[in-house]
Amino acid sequence: DPKIIQKPKYLVAVTGSEKILICEQYLGHNAMYWYRQSAKKPLEFMFSYSYQKLMDNQTASSRFQPQSSKKNHLDLQITALKPDDSATYFCAKGGDTQYFGPGTRLLVL
Amino acid sequence: GQQVQQSPSSLVLQEGENAELQCNFSSTATQLQWFYQSPGGSLVSLLSNPSGTKHTGRLTSTTVTKERRSSLHISSSQTTDSGTYLCAIDHNSGGSNAKLTFGKGTKLSVKS
Repeated sequence: DPKIIQKPKYLVAVTGSEKILICEQYLGHNAMYWYRQSAKKPLEFMFSYSYQKLMDNQTASSRFQPQSSKKNHLDLQITALKPDDSATYFCAKGGDTQYFGPGTRLLVL
Repeated sequence: GQQVQQSPSSLVLQEGENAELQCNFSSTATQLQWFYQSPGGSLVSLLSNPSGTKHTGRLTSTTVTKERRSSLHISSSQTTDSGTYLCAIDHNSGGSNAKLTFGKGTKLSVKS
Protein backbone atom coordinates (compact mmCIF):
# COMPACT_ATOMS: atom_id res chain seq x y z
CA ASP A 1 0.00 0.00 0.00
CA PRO A 2 1.95 3.06 -1.19
CA LYS A 3 2.06 5.82 1.41
CA ILE A 4 3.43 8.46 -0.98
CA ILE A 5 1.79 8.55 -4.39
CA GLN A 6 3.36 10.31 -7.33
CA LYS A 7 1.70 10.65 -10.69
CA PRO A 8 2.48 10.10 -13.43
CA LYS A 9 5.32 7.61 -13.22
CA TYR A 10 6.69 8.66 -16.61
CA LEU A 11 6.11 11.88 -18.49
CA VAL A 12 7.27 13.00 -21.91
CA ALA A 13 6.88 16.67 -22.77
CA VAL A 14 7.86 19.00 -25.58
CA THR A 15 10.06 22.04 -25.04
CA GLY A 16 8.04 25.07 -24.03
CA SER A 17 5.07 23.15 -22.65
CA GLU A 18 3.77 23.04 -19.07
CA LYS A 19 3.28 20.02 -16.85
CA ILE A 20 2.07 19.31 -13.32
CA LEU A 21 3.59 16.55 -11.24
CA ILE A 22 1.27 15.16 -8.58
CA CYS A 23 2.21 14.14 -5.05
CA GLU A 24 -0.01 12.86 -2.27
CA GLN A 25 1.18 11.45 1.03
CA TYR A 26 -0.69 9.45 3.64
CA LEU A 27 1.93 9.24 6.34
CA GLY A 28 0.45 11.99 8.44
CA HIS A 29 3.38 14.37 8.47
CA ASN A 30 2.86 18.03 7.66
CA ALA A 31 6.27 18.61 6.08
CA MET A 32 6.62 17.79 2.38
CA TYR A 33 9.47 18.24 -0.04
CA TRP A 34 10.48 18.08 -3.67
CA TYR A 35 13.85 16.80 -4.80
CA ARG A 36 15.28 16.34 -8.25
CA GLN A 37 17.78 13.83 -9.65
CA SER A 38 19.26 14.29 -13.10
CA ALA A 39 21.89 12.37 -14.98
CA LYS A 40 24.42 15.13 -14.33
CA LYS A 41 23.82 15.86 -10.65
CA PRO A 42 23.13 13.99 -7.42
CA LEU A 43 19.77 14.25 -5.73
CA GLU A 44 19.17 17.88 -4.89
CA PHE A 45 16.67 19.65 -2.68
CA MET A 46 14.16 21.93 -4.41
CA PHE A 47 11.40 22.98 -1.97
CA SER A 48 10.09 22.32 1.51
CA TYR A 49 6.55 22.95 2.69
CA SER A 50 5.00 22.77 6.13
CA TYR A 51 1.29 23.17 6.82
CA GLN A 52 0.91 24.12 3.15
CA LYS A 53 3.35 27.01 3.46
CA LEU A 54 6.68 27.37 1.69
CA MET A 55 9.55 26.93 4.13
CA ASP A 56 12.57 26.86 1.82
CA ASN A 57 13.16 27.27 -1.88
CA GLN A 58 16.47 26.28 -3.45
CA THR A 59 15.27 26.40 -7.04
CA ALA A 60 16.60 29.36 -8.93
CA SER A 61 13.96 29.32 -11.64
CA SER A 62 10.44 30.67 -11.12
CA ARG A 63 9.32 28.15 -13.74
CA PHE A 64 9.04 25.66 -10.89
CA GLN A 65 6.04 26.35 -8.67
CA PRO A 66 4.84 24.05 -5.91
CA GLN A 67 1.11 23.98 -5.26
CA SER A 68 -0.51 22.70 -2.08
CA SER A 69 -4.31 22.46 -2.29
CA LYS A 70 -4.61 20.15 0.73
CA LYS A 71 -2.30 19.43 3.60
CA ASN A 72 -1.27 16.04 2.26
CA HIS A 73 -0.79 17.24 -1.32
CA LEU A 74 2.18 19.02 -2.83
CA ASP A 75 2.10 19.21 -6.61
CA LEU A 76 4.84 20.71 -8.75
CA GLN A 77 3.97 22.87 -11.75
CA ILE A 78 6.74 23.35 -14.30
CA THR A 79 6.25 25.90 -17.07
CA ALA A 80 8.21 26.64 -20.25
CA LEU A 81 9.87 23.22 -20.08
CA LYS A 82 13.44 22.83 -21.30
CA PRO A 83 15.43 19.71 -22.16
CA ASP A 84 17.62 20.41 -19.10
CA ASP A 85 14.55 19.88 -16.92
CA SER A 86 14.69 16.21 -17.81
CA ALA A 87 15.15 14.40 -14.51
CA THR A 88 13.39 12.26 -11.96
CA TYR A 89 11.42 14.36 -9.51
CA PHE A 90 10.90 12.91 -6.05
CA CYS A 91 8.35 14.00 -3.51
CA ALA A 92 9.21 13.30 0.13
CA LYS A 93 7.61 13.68 3.52
CA GLY A 94 8.76 13.95 7.07
CA GLY A 95 11.18 15.94 9.06
CA ASP A 96 14.14 14.34 10.74
CA THR A 97 13.63 11.13 8.80
CA GLN A 98 12.47 11.65 5.26
CA TYR A 99 10.63 9.13 3.14
CA PHE A 100 10.55 9.39 -0.62
CA GLY A 101 7.90 8.64 -3.17
CA PRO A 102 8.58 6.51 -6.26
CA GLY A 103 9.36 9.55 -8.41
CA THR A 104 8.14 10.94 -11.72
CA ARG A 105 10.59 10.51 -14.56
CA LEU A 106 10.31 13.53 -16.86
CA LEU A 107 11.78 13.65 -20.34
CA VAL A 108 11.65 16.94 -22.23
CA LEU A 109 12.21 16.71 -25.97
CA GLY B 1 27.65 25.11 0.54
CA GLN B 2 27.27 21.83 2.31
CA GLN B 3 29.21 18.97 0.73
CA VAL B 4 28.83 15.24 1.13
CA GLN B 5 31.58 12.94 -0.14
CA GLN B 6 31.04 9.22 -0.46
CA SER B 7 33.58 6.51 -1.04
CA PRO B 8 34.21 4.30 -2.79
CA SER B 9 32.25 5.42 -5.83
CA SER B 10 31.74 1.79 -6.78
CA LEU B 11 32.29 -1.58 -5.19
CA VAL B 12 32.07 -5.14 -6.48
CA LEU B 13 31.67 -8.00 -4.04
CA GLN B 14 31.13 -11.70 -4.09
CA GLU B 15 27.98 -12.81 -2.36
CA GLY B 16 28.64 -13.31 1.34
CA GLU B 17 31.38 -10.68 1.60
CA ASN B 18 31.01 -7.62 3.78
CA ALA B 19 30.94 -4.02 2.56
CA GLU B 20 32.07 -0.82 4.23
CA LEU B 21 30.76 2.43 2.76
CA GLN B 22 32.04 5.82 3.85
CA CYS B 23 30.43 9.26 4.04
CA ASN B 24 32.25 12.48 4.92
CA PHE B 25 30.55 15.83 5.22
CA SER B 26 31.77 19.39 5.36
CA SER B 27 29.83 20.80 8.31
CA THR B 28 28.00 19.60 11.40
CA ALA B 29 24.96 17.49 10.62
CA THR B 30 21.81 17.58 12.70
CA GLN B 31 20.56 14.57 10.80
CA LEU B 32 22.16 11.89 8.69
CA GLN B 33 20.32 9.30 6.66
CA TRP B 34 21.45 6.37 4.58
CA PHE B 35 19.31 5.48 1.57
CA TYR B 36 19.25 2.62 -0.89
CA GLN B 37 18.40 3.41 -4.49
CA SER B 38 17.40 0.40 -6.55
CA PRO B 39 18.54 -0.04 -10.14
CA GLY B 40 15.00 0.96 -11.08
CA GLY B 41 15.39 4.28 -9.25
CA SER B 42 13.23 3.90 -6.16
CA LEU B 43 14.61 5.31 -2.89
CA VAL B 44 14.37 3.52 0.43
CA SER B 45 15.41 4.98 3.74
CA LEU B 46 17.71 2.52 5.50
CA LEU B 47 18.83 4.25 8.67
CA SER B 48 18.72 7.63 10.35
CA ASN B 49 21.86 8.03 12.40
CA PRO B 50 23.11 11.51 13.30
CA SER B 51 25.45 10.10 15.95
CA GLY B 52 26.59 6.83 17.46
CA THR B 53 25.91 3.36 16.16
CA LYS B 54 22.67 1.92 14.88
CA HIS B 55 21.81 -1.55 13.60
CA THR B 56 19.02 -2.88 11.47
CA GLY B 57 19.20 -6.37 10.07
CA ARG B 58 22.53 -6.79 8.27
CA LEU B 59 23.20 -3.05 8.32
CA THR B 60 25.26 -1.14 10.87
CA SER B 61 25.83 2.58 10.70
CA THR B 62 28.40 4.41 12.79
CA THR B 63 28.49 8.19 12.80
CA VAL B 64 31.23 10.21 14.48
CA THR B 65 29.71 13.67 14.53
CA LYS B 66 32.83 15.55 15.63
CA GLU B 67 34.84 14.00 12.82
CA ARG B 68 32.03 14.60 10.30
CA ARG B 69 31.97 11.07 9.03
CA SER B 70 29.65 8.12 8.89
CA SER B 71 30.00 4.54 7.70
CA LEU B 72 27.54 1.92 6.59
CA HIS B 73 28.54 -1.69 7.08
CA ILE B 74 26.68 -4.36 5.15
CA SER B 75 27.34 -7.86 6.39
CA SER B 76 26.97 -11.07 4.41
CA SER B 77 26.09 -9.28 1.19
CA GLN B 78 23.42 -10.70 -1.12
CA THR B 79 22.83 -10.15 -4.81
CA THR B 80 19.67 -8.26 -3.91
CA ASP B 81 21.82 -5.67 -2.12
CA SER B 82 23.06 -4.45 -5.51
CA GLY B 83 22.20 -0.83 -6.13
CA THR B 84 23.36 2.62 -5.08
CA TYR B 85 23.78 3.64 -1.46
CA LEU B 86 23.30 7.32 -0.74
CA CYS B 87 24.31 9.32 2.28
CA ALA B 88 22.36 12.49 3.04
CA ILE B 89 22.78 15.08 5.73
CA ASP B 90 20.80 17.97 7.09
CA HIS B 91 22.52 20.81 8.88
CA ASN B 92 19.38 22.81 9.60
CA SER B 93 17.29 22.54 12.73
CA GLY B 94 15.41 19.54 11.40
CA GLY B 95 11.67 18.96 11.60
CA SER B 96 9.80 20.81 8.89
CA ASN B 97 12.92 22.86 8.17
CA ALA B 98 14.95 19.81 7.16
CA LYS B 99 16.78 19.96 3.86
CA LEU B 100 18.83 16.96 2.85
CA THR B 101 22.07 17.29 0.92
CA PHE B 102 23.03 14.08 -0.85
CA GLY B 103 26.31 12.55 -1.83
CA LYS B 104 26.86 11.02 -5.24
CA GLY B 105 26.53 7.54 -3.83
CA THR B 106 28.36 4.23 -3.79
CA LYS B 107 27.29 1.83 -6.50
CA LEU B 108 27.39 -1.69 -5.10
CA SER B 109 27.36 -4.79 -7.24
CA VAL B 110 27.13 -8.17 -5.54
CA LYS B 111 27.89 -11.18 -7.70
CA SER B 112 26.76 -14.74 -7.08
